[in-house]
Amino acid sequence: KQEVTQIPAALSVPEGENLVLNCSFTDSAIYNLQWFRQDPGKGLTSLLLIQSSQREQTSGRLNASLDKSSGRSTLYIAASQPGDSATYLCAVGPNNAGNMLTFGGGTRLMVKP
Amino acid sequence: GAGVSQTPSNKVTEKGKYVELRCDPISGHTALYWYRQSLGQGPEFLIYFQGTGAADDSGLPNDRFFAVRPEGSVSTLKIQRTERGDSAVYLCASSLRAGLAGGPTDTQYFGPGTRLTVL
Repeated sequence: KQEVTQIPAALSVPEGENLVLNCSFTDSAIYNLQWFRQDPGKGLTSLLLIQSSQREQTSGRLNASLDKSSGRSTLYIAASQPGDSATYLCAVGPNNAGNMLTFGGGTRLMVKP
Repeated sequence: GAGVSQTPSNKVTEKGKYVELRCDPISGHTALYWYRQSLGQGPEFLIYFQGTGAADDSGLPNDRFFAVRPEGSVSTLKIQRTERGDSAVYLCASSLRAGLAGGPTDTQYFGPGTRLTVL
């Protein structure tokens, strides 16, 4: 059974810092990996999707990397802003039809002005 | 364009009652997913539809839970004889395809969720 772990569970940084969120998964037979953002009381917003054949994806100040063989992904946020404060969730899709996602517990990020 | 919508946004019910939660996916998306998120945790998969059929319901916790998607668009999650442990946020997501198609078609778009509270 796939298990996804995110470290740290919570993180508080001053505005402007670059930061890295970590995600690890136990079964490397994945099809893709997605990073989501969740604001309090809201649904999930997809940030980046990395196919298993890819090493990284970039969108604006966000960069996600994937090392499938070691079961790890990182989300790098450059020049953090207070508006980045949210919970960040990592999810992996299995290597079969359906792509039902297995989520980590999330990292709660607070960026202080 | 319109995203995934879910109704109601909040539902409070009493133990033992029956509830229905509705999901309207993005138009044209063939795959639809239900997840459940307990406080402080990541979402957990419940069931997924490809078109009208439930392609995988392995995440449903027991036979009190059932979901339908009769016309391949709107889906309803039904919970019978609700229990306090059913309290959670129920999230619906849709994607253009259901995996193994490659690329952006696999991206799942989530609705805002329905917060279910069983008293």
